[in-house]
Amino acid sequence: AQSVAQPEDQVNVAEGNPLTVKCTYSVSGNPYLFWYVQYPNRGLQFLLKYITGDNLVKGSYGFEAEFNKSQTSFHLKKPSALVSDSALYFCAVRDIGSSYKLIFGSGTRLLVRP
Amino acid sequence: EAEVAQSPRYKITEKSQAVAFWCDPISGHATLYWYRQILGQGPELLVQFQDESVVDDSQLPKDRFSAERLKGVDSTLKIQPAELGDSAMYLCASSLPGGPIHTQYFGPGTRLTVL
Repeated sequence: AQSVAQPEDQVNVAEGNPLTVKCTYSVSGNPYLFWYVQYPNRGLQFLLKYITGDNLVKGSYGFEAEFNKSQTSFHLKKPSALVSDSALYFCAVRDIGSSYKLIFGSGTRLLVRP
Repeated sequence: EAEVAQSPRYKITEKSQAVAFWCDPISGHATLYWYRQILGQGPELLVQFQDESVVDDSQLPKDRFSAERLKGVDSTLKIQPAELGDSAMYLCASSLPGGPIHTQYFGPGTRLTVL
């Protein structure tokens, strides 16, 4: 069965420093991986996805993610964090059944301090 | 930029009452999803439509939940009767059809509180 894991409940980083939010996956077949961000009492906003091709994927708001097949990881990164990046981040993988539903991790709360 | 619309944004109800949520997907998106997100957890799929047909409702509690997409455009999710454990965020998403590569775009959600 497809699954993703986000090992950190919370990540703290100072504004201006690089940030990394970790995600590992377990899939049968090719992985289709996604990152979403959620602000309080809001829906999920799409950041980026990996389907195939380059291992470094660039997305919205300066975020990027590195796909590593040997480590089965898809970590989200940003070179310089902003206070406004503080939010809840979800990694997800598409199911391979008939529905192609998203299977989400438990989420990681990112806190960027001024 | 086109967005998924949902209403209401917030709903407070008493247990045993009926509630209904509405979703209007991005124009042209034949695939529509309803997810439930319990506080502190990731969303989980309740039901998926392809046009007006249900593709996956394996996690939908069918004794109390129902969903429809009669004309293959907007959709309604209903709970009757509501229970305390139904308190959650209900998220609607839509995507183009045709496989796993297409991005799902989410609406703002409906926050349900059952008292």
